[in-house]
Amino acid sequence: QQQVKQSPQSLIVQKGGISIINCAYENTAFDYFPWYQQFPGKGPALLIAIRPDVSEKKEGRFTISFNKSAKQFSLHIMDSQPGDSATYFCAASIENSGGSNYKLTFGKGTLLTVNP
Amino acid sequence: KAGVTQTPRYLIKTRGQQVTLSCSPISGHRSVSWYQQTPGQGLQFLFEYFSETQRNKGNFPGRFSGRQFSNSRSEMNVSTLELGDSALYLCASSSVGRGHTEAFFGQGTRLTVV
Repeated sequence: QQQVKQSPQSLIVQKGGISIINCAYENTAFDYFPWYQQFPGKGPALLIAIRPDVSEKKEGRFTISFNKSAKQFSLHIMDSQPGDSATYFCAASIENSGGSNYKLTFGKGTLLTVNP
Repeated sequence: KAGVTQTPRYLIKTRGQQVTLSCSPISGHRSVSWYQQTPGQGLQFLFEYFSETQRNKGNFPGRFSGRQFSNSRSEMNVSTLELGDSALYLCASSSVGRGHTEAFFGQGTRLTVV
């Protein structure tokens, strides 16, 4: 059972364009939604994260939009640059009552290519 | 501040063998999680350790096990290796606190089973 569905699998965008990646989740208990960026040969790195009490969060060129009723969230990359070319993963988790790390459920990833 | 360190970076093992992977978390981080990354299944949670105790476990067979030492370093072991165990194994560490704390990933150990 895939609890977090991510689309598209791959995305090609021209430099300066907007990249949009979408995710949908099933478990309404999820209360934390991070996005990770992974370059070849590297581990994933946290890009931006949101909680369900906020509908949008922006950090620089990266914005998460969150729709709780639709159980969907998306990542928007404005003014996309060739250096943004990487694999992006959405994820979801439930806050651990112990207050520390937690089980991240990942989407399958989106390979973003930004052409110069 | 040093990041999460995983050793070795690459491993080639034969079917039926066992393997041990190591993870040194960021200094001060007491929670360590392990993930398996494959092209087909993506990133899947294996288990999480905190204060030398396994607190969460993913849906993997008992051949996959782990442990955590008093200095928070962690190891994971896979016994009776199968071809399907070929994957990138990622370790993530995080600090302890209220609410979600960021999970920092290492570069992973690339395991190839032949």
